[in-house]
Amino acid sequence: GNSVTQMEGPVTLSEEAFLTINCTYTATGYPSLFWYVQYPGEGLQLLLKATKADDKGSNKGFEATYRKETTSFHLEKGSVQVSDSAVYFCALDDYKLSFGAGTTVTVRA
Amino acid sequence: NAGVTQTPKFQVLKTGQSMTLQCAQDMNHEYMSWYRQDPGMGLRLIHYSVGAGITDQGEVPNGYNVSRSTTEDFPLRLLSAAPSQTSVYFCASSYAGGYDKETQYFGPGTRLLVL
Repeated sequence: GNSVTQMEGPVTLSEEAFLTINCTYTATGYPSLFWYVQYPGEGLQLLLKATKADDKGSNKGFEATYRKETTSFHLEKGSVQVSDSAVYFCALDDYKLSFGAGTTVTVRA
Repeated sequence: NAGVTQTPKFQVLKTGQSMTLQCAQDMNHEYMSWYRQDPGMGLRLIHYSVGAGITDQGEVPNGYNVSRSTTEDFPLRLLSAAPSQTSVYFCASSYAGGYDKETQYFGPGTRLLVL
C-alpha cells in the first residue's frame, strides 16, 4: 500500500537558518504530493503541492520538488522565521490521503 | 464562507458513553472525510464519503459510524467510547477524491478525552 515516511523531529532552529525536512514515499501509482502545516491550536492547512514528477511546489518561501527517481518530496526554506514554528506533514494523494507522522519545527529568535 | 466547521471543540466522555462529532461544510464539496491525529502517528483516515448517501471505511474505522444524508454534513458517531479513542479528530472536505487532485480543507478539530 501507499505510505509516507518523514524525518523525525523535533527540529529546533535559530531565525534565518536553513530548514530541510525529508520526506520519502511508497506508492503503486503516480500520486500527487503535498505538504500540510499545522500551527499551534489550529487545523491543517495546505502549504504546497506537486502533481507530477519534476514539479516544484512553492509557497511562503517554502519549496519542494517531486523526485520520482528517489521517491522523495523534501521540504526546504532558506531563512526561517519564528512564525514558521509549526508541525509539518508530508502527504500523498492516490485517491486517499496518506500522511507522514509529522515533524515539529521550533524556530527561536 | 465558513469553510469546514466542527463541534464541539473539546469533549470529555466516560468509557461506554456515546456521542456524535459534528462536521459541516458550505463549499458544496462532494468528498468529506474524518481523521484522527495521535502523537507520532500523523493523521489516520477513519471514514470517508464521496457524496450524499455514500460512505466507506478508512484505515481505522472500528468503533466509529458515519452517515451522509446531505452534501453539507458528515457526522462521526462513537458508539461506546473507549480510552483508546482519546485523540484529536479532524474533518476535511474537497471537491472530489484523489483522482482530481484537489486540495482538502480541514476543520479546526475536536479534542476528545475518554476517561
